[in-house]
Amino acid sequence: EAGVAQSPRYKIIEKRQSVAFWCNPISGHATLYWYQQILGQGPKLLIQFQNNGVVDDSQLPKDRFSAERLKGVDSTLKIQPAKLEDSAVYLCASSSTAGSTDTQYFGPGTRLTVL
Amino acid sequence: LAKTTQPISMDSYEGQEVNITCSHNNIATNDYITWYQQFPSQGPRFIIQGYKTKVTNEVASLFIPADRKSSTLSLPRVSLSDTAVYYCLFSGNTPLVFGKGTRLSVIA
Repeated sequence: EAGVAQSPRYKIIEKRQSVAFWCNPISGHATLYWYQQILGQGPKLLIQFQNNGVVDDSQLPKDRFSAERLKGVDSTLKIQPAKLEDSAVYLCASSSTAGSTDTQYFGPGTRLTVL
Repeated sequence: LAKTTQPISMDSYEGQEVNITCSHNNIATNDYITWYQQFPSQGPRFIIQGYKTKVTNEVASLFIPADRKSSTLSLPRVSLSDTAVYYCLFSGNTPLVFGKGTRLSVIA
């Protein structure tokens, strides 16, 4: 079974530039998550989708971050404009349902460096 | 907000059993305890989940006392490849909240 795919794996941009990350979840998984992981810390949930609807985006900085999951499959996370403090690894995860005890399967992440 | 507390780091020699304890004084009735493992440059990976007593799988065991205010992840006979960060978290409420985890270093 193919895992969660993410691209790009690495991205370096200057502050105030825009960037987008892409995620393809495990086939058939209805729930998709985006996390931000700053060096030395655990992942922090940014947004959770159930199919193509948003379940939780309470920790998403909506003035600069946006995410969509058109057709309930792939998802993109965008930052516009980027700040230095956005340097982190952005992880995508999926689970078969939105059940809180369901196992989340994580992708390898995209490492973003903002200069 | 429900919170877990676990040691920041632990060291162990290869072949030893490692026990990582997590405290969760304010665990709710419907919360499960879940452990994830994260290797460098990878996303976290599910290890084990339990509600009470003992759960065992091919990777680890999870011990949860009757009061459920703590839990212990047990890794039998660790190897160098078990060097990773281990996260204890609740999965009964959305969203999952990851702490800083426990950084386990296995030494040859």
